[in-house]
Amino acid sequence: GAGVSQSPRYKVAKRGQDVALRCDPISGHVSLFWYQQALGQGPEFLTYFQNEAQLDKSGLPSDRFFAERPEGSVSTLKIQRTQQEDSAVYLCASSLGRRETQYFGPGTRLLVL
Amino acid sequence: QKEVEQNSGPLSVPEGAIASLNCTYSDRGSQSFFWYRQYSGKSPELIMFIYSNGDKEDGRFTAQLNKASQYVSLLIRDSQPSDSATYLCAVRETDKLIFGTGTRLQVFP
Repeated sequence: GAGVSQSPRYKVAKRGQDVALRCDPISGHVSLFWYQQALGQGPEFLTYFQNEAQLDKSGLPSDRFFAERPEGSVSTLKIQRTQQEDSAVYLCASSLGRRETQYFGPGTRLLVL
Repeated sequence: QKEVEQNSGPLSVPEGAIASLNCTYSDRGSQSFFWYRQYSGKSPELIMFIYSNGDKEDGRFTAQLNKASQYVSLLIRDSQPSDSATYLCAVRETDKLIFGTGTRLQVFP
């Protein structure tokens, strides 16, 4: 079956530009996670949804980062006024339930110039 | 901040050898542990999870957990060049995963 999909796969943004990253979880997966992976590092947690409810956003680095999942399926991670330090791979993962195995999408590679 | 520590490597092993990857974690209360493999430019792929002390085997892979020592390891038997990748150790904290920086494994023919 289809896995987690993310779009765009690559995004180049000028500093100060707003970007929106999309995640389509595996069908039926109620839990959705966003992680940020800098070069040479492991993924770092950003935020987590259970259906449409955002249960944990403790990892969002600043108020420029905002995530939503209005219908409990597709999620969007928005970064406002991008900075160079936002350059990273943004990974989305989904799972059947809160403590089930997380399956990762291919990621969106963001480069802020 | 709860931590997961891994040696970044690279760990180089010859084809056919056993590769041993190690991970330590700081939260003594952690219960769930995961090993993900990540090829360059690709997303993490789950290899194994382990919840109980001892060994868990799946094909060429064996995960080992020692909660008293706060130590998790992954053994890869009969290593192949296709096993060359970064191996990420992760610990579940409530619902999210805390990852180490990963160990890069190189298997040479």
